[in-house]
Amino acid sequence: SAVISQKPSRDICQRGTSLTIQCQVDSQVTMMFWYRQQPGQSLTLIATANQGSEATYESGFVIDKFPISRPNLTFSTLTVSNMSPEDSSIYLCSVLRASYEQYFGPGTRLTVT
Amino acid sequence: QKEVEQNSGPLSVPEGAIASLNCTYSDRGSQSFFWYRQYSGKSPELIMSIYSNGDKEDGRFTAQLNKASQYVSLLIRDSQPSDSATYLCAVNSPDDKIIFGKGTRLHILP
Repeated sequence: SAVISQKPSRDICQRGTSLTIQCQVDSQVTMMFWYRQQPGQSLTLIATANQGSEATYESGFVIDKFPISRPNLTFSTLTVSNMSPEDSSIYLCSVLRASYEQYFGPGTRLTVT
Repeated sequence: QKEVEQNSGPLSVPEGAIASLNCTYSDRGSQSFFWYRQYSGKSPELIMSIYSNGDKEDGRFTAQLNKASQYVSLLIRDSQPSDSATYLCAVNSPDDKIIFGKGTRLHILP
């Protein structure tokens, strides 16, 4: 498995501001992912964070809104920019281990007012 | 569009009974299959992985895979109230991503 931490665990932010979420893993991993989960909904993949190159975004998500950094094999950040109430959600990072097993961090609960 | 389908539930099962959760997937090329448990307000937790046809048992949990029918199931024996959660079925895609179903809410009745 993997030990994954996320900061902050929750935040309340004002419309128009930005929040950067950090994800730290206890060992090196090749692939890290960022998901969003809105209340009562399933997981939606935002992007794959690639070490040493730009993130790969899923349809409907763009770099200007969700810039991602991946400076090394144990750390990544996701920024939610110019926030609106529709961005209120739980943001989760995950890592890919052997045999395609994915492990999730504890999540960041974001509320935009 | 690759899909993973689950009944959203809720599935209500008496304590001590067997809970049976089902999942179908559309991509015949999928090779890896997973069940995650998600408690309300928590992140998904991987509870079972299965890669070949047949059954895989781990404690009270049994995962069953039938690739010909594109069908995955999870059985929970001797269901406990602590098993009440949403169970997500997930299937790998060729680009190392995981496709998640929408989840089945399981409620164990004391």
